[in-house]
Amino acid sequence: DAGVTQSPTHLIKTRGQQVTLRCSPKSGHDTVSWYQQALGQGPQFIFQYYEEEERQRGNFPDRFSGHQFPNYSSELNVNALLLGDSALYLCASSLSRSETQYFGPGTRLLVL
Amino acid sequence: AQSVTQPDIHITVSEGASLELRCNYSYGATPYLFWYVQSPGQGLQLLLKYFSGDTLVQGIKGFEAEFKRSQSSFNLRKPSVHWSDAAEYFCAVGRGDYKLSFGAGTTVTVRA
Repeated sequence: DAGVTQSPTHLIKTRGQQVTLRCSPKSGHDTVSWYQQALGQGPQFIFQYYEEEERQRGNFPDRFSGHQFPNYSSELNVNALLLGDSALYLCASSLSRSETQYFGPGTRLLVL
Repeated sequence: AQSVTQPDIHITVSEGASLELRCNYSYGATPYLFWYVQSPGQGLQLLLKYFSGDTLVQGIKGFEAEFKRSQSSFNLRKPSVHWSDAAEYFCAVGRGDYKLSFGAGTTVTVRA
C-alpha cells in the first residue's frame, strides 16, 4: 500500500521565479492538505483540497495556489518566490471526513 | 484561535530511560489531538491520536499519551527509549475543520 508521495525531493529556485510541487495521496484517500515547515518550526497549514476545490485555507498570500486533479493528486504553486519561502513543503492526505492526516516525505525548497 | 505549546525545545535522555514530552493546547472544546515524529530530513509519521473515550491512548513504537482535560494537556510518554527514538516530536491539534495546528516541536537526543 503506497503512502503519500511527493516530487521533487529537493528544488533550488531564485527570487521571483515560480515553482510547482506535486503530491499523490495515500491509496483510498480523497483529500490533500499542504503545509509549510520553516527551519526549526512546526508545520503551518497552507490549504486543503477536496473534490478538486479548496476547502480550507490558512494565512498564506495569494501567491500560494493549488489544484487537485480527478485522481486526487494535487499541486502546490508558488509565484514570485521570496527568500522566506525557503522551507520544507509537506503534503498530507486523508479521507474527506477524517481529521487524521498522513504526511509525505516533503519537498525541500531553497530560494536564492 | 487555538494554539499548541510544547514547552521543551530540547530533551536529552539516556537509552533505556523513560521519556515524557509535554504538550498544552488552548481551545474551548475538546480538540482532536495528535503526536507526530519527524526524523532528520523526513516527513511526519503519526504516532498516536486522541478523539474521545479512554484518555490514555497507545500508539506505535511503544509510545502512549494521556489526555487531561483539566490541564489542557496531551503528554507523550515512553517507558524505555531506544537510540532510534532520537528525532523531533510534534504535538498537533485539530478542531474539526480539517486543518491541524502544530507546536514548535521538541528535539529528543538519546545518549548511550
